[in-house]
This record gives sequence, structure tokens and C-alpha cells, in this order.
Amino acid sequence: NAGVMQNPRHLVRRRGQEARLRCSPVKGHSHVYWYRQLPEEGLKFMVYLQKENIIDESGMPKERFSAEFPKEGPSILRIQQVVRGDSAAYFCASSPTNTDTQYFGPGTRLTVL
Amino acid sequence: AQTVTQSQPEMSVQEAETVTLSCTYDTSESDYYLFWYKQPPSRQMILVIRQEAYKQQNATENRFSVNFQKAAKSFSLKISDSQLGDAAMYFCAYRRRQGGSEKLVFGKGTKLTVNP
Repeated sequence: NAGVMQNPRHLVRRRGQEARLRCSPVKGHSHVYWYRQLPEEGLKFMVYLQKENIIDESGMPKERFSAEFPKEGPSILRIQQVVRGDSAAYFCASSPTNTDTQYFGPGTRLTVL
Repeated sequence: AQTVTQSQPEMSVQEAETVTLSCTYDTSESDYYLFWYKQPPSRQMILVIRQEAYKQQNATENRFSVNFQKAAKSFSLKISDSQLGDAAMYFCAYRRRQGGSEKLVFGKGTKLTVNP
């Protein structure tokens, strides 16, 4: 069984560019969570999605950040006009229901030059 | 809002010895989950152990066990017979059981070093 897959594993962008991070949940999991980890910090919740719906985006910055989980295909976290402060590791987690353990992907490390 | 506090930024243990990592949390909820995740240098987040708040019995997974003190809001992780592969960052996390958004709230982590 494949676990949560994230790509790319490493992404380098220049200031002002767009970053697209992809997450394929465990097969059969319909709940996806995105977290951000700044250097030397714990993970911070960003957004929780079910298929085609955003359930909770309370941790996501209001501007430049968006997320989707379409009926078909991976979940996408999109960051427009990246700034240096966006440099971090972005983790995706999935669960089969909203009361189950969340299983994490390997993360995408975003570096903004 | 729920908070999770890990008061030990770093800990070290000799191989084969036992070490305990501390975690306290603050919540007004009565029904919730607590977790310990391990993050080795590869950065992968690996679930170590999970505790359901309504269960009085402490969770155990092989060499890993917890001491869950609900009244004190304390959730410590004990690693017995420490191995070199246990070296990692350890994160304590809280999650509400029900209510719509079951996001994890993490502590800042404890870096565990295992000395040969």
C-alpha cells in the first residue's frame, strides 16, 4: 500500500514566482490536511479539505495561499508571489475519516531565493 | 484554543537506557486524542503512539509507552532500551475528537540524541 505521496520533494522559487505543491493521499482516504513547518519549529495547521470542499482554512494566510482537493487527482497547495518567509517544509497528511489517525507524507521543502 | 507544551528542547540518553519526554497540554474539551510523532533527519513524520482520552489505560507500542495523566493534562513518552535509530525530533500533538476540524496541534518538539 502506498502511503501519502508529495511532490516535488524540493522546490526552489525566486521571489514573486508561484509554487504548486501536490499531495496524493493514501488510497481510500478522503480527508487531507496541510501543515507548515518553519525551521526549528513544530508543525502548524494550515487547511483541512475533503473531496471538493474546504472544511477549515483557519490556519492559512488570507492572501497568496489557496488549496484544493478536486474530485479526481491530488490535493494542491498553491502559493502565489512567494516571499522569503514562505521558505519552509510543507507536509500533507491524510485520513480515511475525520476521527482517524493522520498519516503524513514526506513533505515538500520550499526554498525561496 | 488548545496548546501543547514540550518543555525539554533537547534530551540525551545512553544506548539501551530509558528516557522520558515530557508534554503538557491545555484544553477545555473532555474527549480528544493525543499523539507522539517522531521526525528523524529524513524529515518524515512517523506516528509513534496514540492515546484516546476516554481510555484510562496507558498506550504501549513495543518499547514506547506513555504516562497519560488526564487531570494534570500531562502526556509523557517513555522509550525503553533506547536504540541509535531512536535519535530524532519528537513531537507531541493534540487533536479534538469531534467537531468538524480535526486538526493536529503540535508542540515545538524535543530533540533526542542517543549516545552509543
